[in-house]
Amino acid sequence: GQNIDQPTEMTATEGAIVQINCTYQTSGFNGLFWYQQHAGEAPTFLSYNVLDGLEEKGRFSSFLSRSKGYSYLLLKELQMKDSASYLCAVRAATGGFKTIFGAGTRLFVKA
Amino acid sequence: NAGVTQTPKFRILKIGQSMTLQCAQDMNHNYMYWYRQDPGMGLKLIYYSVGAGITDKGEVPNGYNVSRSTTEDFPLRLELAAPSQTSVYFCASSHGQGNSPLHFGNGTRLTVT
Repeated sequence: GQNIDQPTEMTATEGAIVQINCTYQTSGFNGLFWYQQHAGEAPTFLSYNVLDGLEEKGRFSSFLSRSKGYSYLLLKELQMKDSASYLCAVRAATGGFKTIFGAGTRLFVKA
Repeated sequence: NAGVTQTPKFRILKIGQSMTLQCAQDMNHNYMYWYRQDPGMGLKLIYYSVGAGITDKGEVPNGYNVSRSTTEDFPLRLELAAPSQTSVYFCASSHGQGNSPLHFGNGTRLTVT
């Protein structure tokens, strides 16, 4: 089976840096995704990691350690519009490449 | 391109009624998925399909049925609605492998009373 854990809520200040952690246990692995979801909207794709290391994309970076079953999403220069839920998701290696989601981390950015 | 289109946006059902949630994609994706999201929770996979004519169960399939007669369409059927099925339903599609992400529809908000 698969299990994905991430903190329920985080609060950070505008302009700061925040790191959202995700740990996972999976019987097969074909990549880890981060999605952003604003309240009342659909999730949108942020990042993808399949090899160990850091992937950087503008203000957002994502890190993966497969041996530790660990990932984090790093958001720099926080803006008020970054207030959203951040969903960690693992794609299976078989079975339709199912993507299983964690419960999400709600990030509140304050002025 | 419209991407993934879901209808209806909102629906209220009485207990025991049935309905079909529609999902269509125009990106020629083979892989399609149905998720439900309860308030403050993550997404739970209901059913998925790897191509026309092929469907399989996800994490929470009970009370639902699906069909995939074409590449474009992947409807979700609720036969006997129950209050526990009150949720937001998202349809998604992808190429499946590699770094191809899920593309989501805008969701259907369903209330069963």
